[in-house]
Amino acid sequence: QSALTQPASVSGSPGQSITISCTGTSSDVGGYKFVSWYQQHPGKAPKLMIYDVSNRPSGVSNRFSGSKSGNTASLTISGLQAEDEAAYYCSSYTSTNYVVFGGGTKLTVL
Amino acid sequence: QVQLQESGPGLVKPSETLSLTCTVSGGSMSSYYWSWIRQPPGKGLEWIAYIYYSGSTNYNPSLKSRVTISADTSKHQFSLKMSSVTAADTAVYYCATLPASYDGSAYYSEHYFDYWGQGTLVTVSS
Repeated sequence: QSALTQPASVSGSPGQSITISCTGTSSDVGGYKFVSWYQQHPGKAPKLMIYDVSNRPSGVSNRFSGSKSGNTASLTISGLQAEDEAAYYCSSYTSTNYVVFGGGTKLTVL
Repeated sequence: QVQLQESGPGLVKPSETLSLTCTVSGGSMSSYYWSWIRQPPGKGLEWIAYIYYSGSTNYNPSLKSRVTISADTSKHQFSLKMSSVTAADTAVYYCATLPASYDGSAYYSEHYFDYWGQGTLVTVSS
């Protein structure tokens, strides 16, 4: 199973909104409502930001939102803040009953 | 609040077996599926395997032939063994949890990782 496709990098200015895409196939992203997103700061463990496409865990800012259309899921961060600068990874359940991750997107806050 | 802590050798020789343990605190072993995930330096995440306290397991097909996951509920620990390692297995290894849910007849894992250990770097080198 190939990794999900994410852009290598995105950037935005403080206060702006950005969207990170995550493209898979009908055997993963497109076939299930089981897409999740993780934020990882350098040298730290990933942190769950979104699960089941659009649900936020308790304690995660409502500036983070998720959606899905067809085989592509998206993470949107609104009101960009300096602390949002990190790597972001998507993941999805797959038809072969396991989890696959995206290659990661480095977000730079200008 | 679940807390996870990985432990094990930081250096393993090529062709040998990598062994790691994750110690769990603050959570019931039956409330989660227990998983290993790795991240090569500068690269992305790769799910390795998970286990439920009942002994039910699931493996990444690409690693299945070399990996064994096990759990010792009395010690609140679960472990990973990976055989015949090469330099490509050099990575930060994380233990993590997937919530367990019940559909009225059986337990199943959700498909996201909600708690993570801090990670441990394992280098494969002679």
